[in-house]
Amino acid sequence: ETGVTQTPRHLVMGMTNKKSLKCEQHLGHNAMYWYKQSAKKPLELMFVYNFKEQTENNSVPSRFSPECPNSSHLFLHLHTLQPEDSALYLCASSQDFGTVYTEAFFGQGTRLTVV
Amino acid sequence: AQKVTQAQTEISVVEKEDVTLDCVYETRDTTYYLFWYKQPPSGELVFLIRRNSFDEQNEISGRYSWNFQKSTSSFNFTITASQVVDSAVYFCALSDLNNDMRFGAGTRLTVKP
Repeated sequence: ETGVTQTPRHLVMGMTNKKSLKCEQHLGHNAMYWYKQSAKKPLELMFVYNFKEQTENNSVPSRFSPECPNSSHLFLHLHTLQPEDSALYLCASSQDFGTVYTEAFFGQGTRLTVV
Repeated sequence: AQKVTQAQTEISVVEKEDVTLDCVYETRDTTYYLFWYKQPPSGELVFLIRRNSFDEQNEISGRYSWNFQKSTSSFNFTITASQVVDSAVYFCALSDLNNDMRFGAGTRLTVKP
C-alpha cells in the first residue's frame, strides 16, 4: 500500500470514447502529478497541481484534461485519444511542489490501451 | 538543460551476482537532489534513496549501495548478491531548482534463479 490509489488499473478505450482516470492520496500531500510512461522512454511529466492549482502543463495535447477538485484527488479526463497515447499513466504526490528534496510517492498506474 | 541518462536498457544476471546500474545526469544548478526508484511488476514506483548535491558520501543499505561522483555526474546503484525479487525496472531521477523531477528511461533488471 503506497498511499496513492489509482483507478482503474486497466482501461481499453476506442478513439472516440471519453473516459477518466482517478487518483486519490491520503498522505496529506499538497502536490499531485500525472506522468506518462511509454515503453523504453523516460517518464514524462504531464501535469502538476500544487494546493489544487495547476502549476505545470508540459505541452500536453488538449485531449488530456486534468482536474484537481481538492488536494487529495486528481483526475485525468481523456477524449478522442490516439493509439500512440497507449501507455501506463502514473499518478504521484509529494508534500509540496517546489521543494527540491521532496520525494514523490506513486500509485500503481493505469494501463491504458487505445484501440 | 536537465537530463538523466540510464544507458543500460536491460540487464540480466544470475542470482547472487553483483550488478551495477549506471546513472549519469546533467544540470546547471549547484543545488539538486538525485533519487533512485524501483518499479516492480505491480507498477508503482517505490522510492529507494535520495541524495543531495552537497553530500558525496556513499551510502549502503543492506544489499544496496550508491556511489555518487560529482566529478563524473554519476549516481550509480549497486545490488550485491542479487535475488530474484530484485527483478524490476529501476529509475534514476534528478530534481533541481526548476522543481521538475526528471527521470531516466529506466533499466530493466532481470535476476534469474
